[in-house]
Amino acid sequence: ETGVTQTPRHLVMGMTNKKSLKCEQHLGHNAMYWYKQSAKKPLELMFVYSLEERVENNSVPSRFSPECPNSSHLFLHLHTLQPEDSALYLCASSQGTEAFFGQGTRLTVV
Amino acid sequence: GQSLEQPSEVTAVEGAIVQINCTYQTSGFYGLSWYQQHDGGAPTFLSYNGLDGLEETGRFSSFLSRSDSYGYLLLQELQMKDSASYFCAGRDQTGANNLFFGTGTRLTVIP
Repeated sequence: ETGVTQTPRHLVMGMTNKKSLKCEQHLGHNAMYWYKQSAKKPLELMFVYSLEERVENNSVPSRFSPECPNSSHLFLHLHTLQPEDSALYLCASSQGTEAFFGQGTRLTVV
Repeated sequence: GQSLEQPSEVTAVEGAIVQINCTYQTSGFYGLSWYQQHDGGAPTFLSYNGLDGLEETGRFSSFLSRSDSYGYLLLQELQMKDSASYFCAGRDQTGANNLFFGTGTRLTVIP
C-alpha cells in the first residue's frame, strides 16, 4: 500500500464512451502525475500538477483531459479514445525526491 | 528535451552482482532516481542521487556522475525476487516536479 489509490483498476470502454479515472492521495504531497505505460515501453509523462497548477505535456492528445480539484484528488477524463490508447495508466504523487505510485488502471479501448 | 537511455534487458545469476546503466540528456538536471517495477505492479522508489557519488541502501547502490550525464544502479547478492524492470528517472528545468523516466531495463535473475 503506497498511499496512492486509483480507481477503477480495470476499465473497458468503447471509442465513443466517456469515462474518468480517479486518483487519490492523503500523503500531503504537493505534486501529482499521470503516466501512460504501454507494453514494452517506458513510462510516458502525461500531466503534472504542482500545487494544483497544471504543467502540460504538449504531446498528449486532447481526448485526455486532467482535472485536479484539490491537492488530494486527480482525475483523467477520457473521451473518444482510440484502440492505441489501451495501456496502463498510473497516477503518482511526490513531495521532494520520491514519487509514490498507485496500482494503475488497466484501460482497454474496443 | 528529456532522454534517459538504459539497456533493454540484462540477465544475471542468483548471488551475483549486476550493474544497470543510465545515460541522460535533460535540459537542466535535478538528480537521478531509480525505481523497481515487478510485473503487474506499480513502480516503487529505490534510491536518489542529487550529488555525484555513490549512495548505498542495503544490497542496492546507485551512482551518479553529472559531468558524464551518467548513472548506474548496482544490485549485489542477487535474489530471484530481484527479477523486475528497473527505471532511472530525472527531473528537468521546465519544472522541478516534472519526473521523466528512462527506457527501462528488464532484469532476469536465473538460478
